[in-house]
Amino acid sequence: EVQLVESGGGLVQPGGSLRLSCEASGFTLSSFWMSWVRQAPGKGLEWVANINQGGSEKYYVDSVEGRFTVSRDNGLHSVYLQMNSLRVEDTAVYFCARWGYNSGYGDAFDIWGQGTMVTVSS
Amino acid sequence: SYELTQPSSVSVSPGQTARITCSGDALSKQYAYWYQQRAGRAPVLVIYKDTERPSGIPERFSGSGSGTTVTLTISGVQAEDEAAYYCQSADTTDNYWAFGGGTKLTVL
Repeated sequence: EVQLVESGGGLVQPGGSLRLSCEASGFTLSSFWMSWVRQAPGKGLEWVANINQGGSEKYYVDSVEGRFTVSRDNGLHSVYLQMNSLRVEDTAVYFCARWGYNSGYGDAFDIWGQGTMVTVSS
Repeated sequence: SYELTQPSSVSVSPGQTARITCSGDALSKQYAYWYQQRAGRAPVLVIYKDTERPSGIPERFSGSGSGTTVTLTISGVQAEDEAAYYCQSADTTDNYWAFGGGTKLTVL
């Protein structure tokens, strides 16, 4: 079964750091771009970051540029999101998602994890 | 970056047809994608490249597009279709992926 499982969410104070993990199974992680998408409580979806198969290309939404870093370890079947200088407005469920281009789905996110909640509050 | 605009809510009775629109200048050049998100769950891709349906998605879900507006149509709406629906597109030149604000579909 193709699956993504996120972990690492929790409560952190403003200015703090957190590292999210996403473990992939059921497919060859090294063949796919991967993404992080977040959803603030009661709000819509927001793309956060993408990383290419080898980790050499990374793209971020403007609001997290310079604070968040996406990385991956294909040998461990995992993708990560290091979040520094966290702000109250970063509070959200963070989803790991597979970019489906190599599955024929174009620019869609074809596989999603269940999400992990990050709460930034004092 | 660019914006995708959706109505905040749509309501239909069971068996009727629901149409959810998504508008944005980028849609005249880029494909649109649609996701269904039931309460408390992860999004699920229901339409890709404007009109294509992934395997396992019921035939009552269809997509269409014209100019800067795309439409998700759900024919013969069922109670289980009550969810939020999001459109999405991408500008792979500027490496930016955008979602619409989401439409809450209520089945009366």
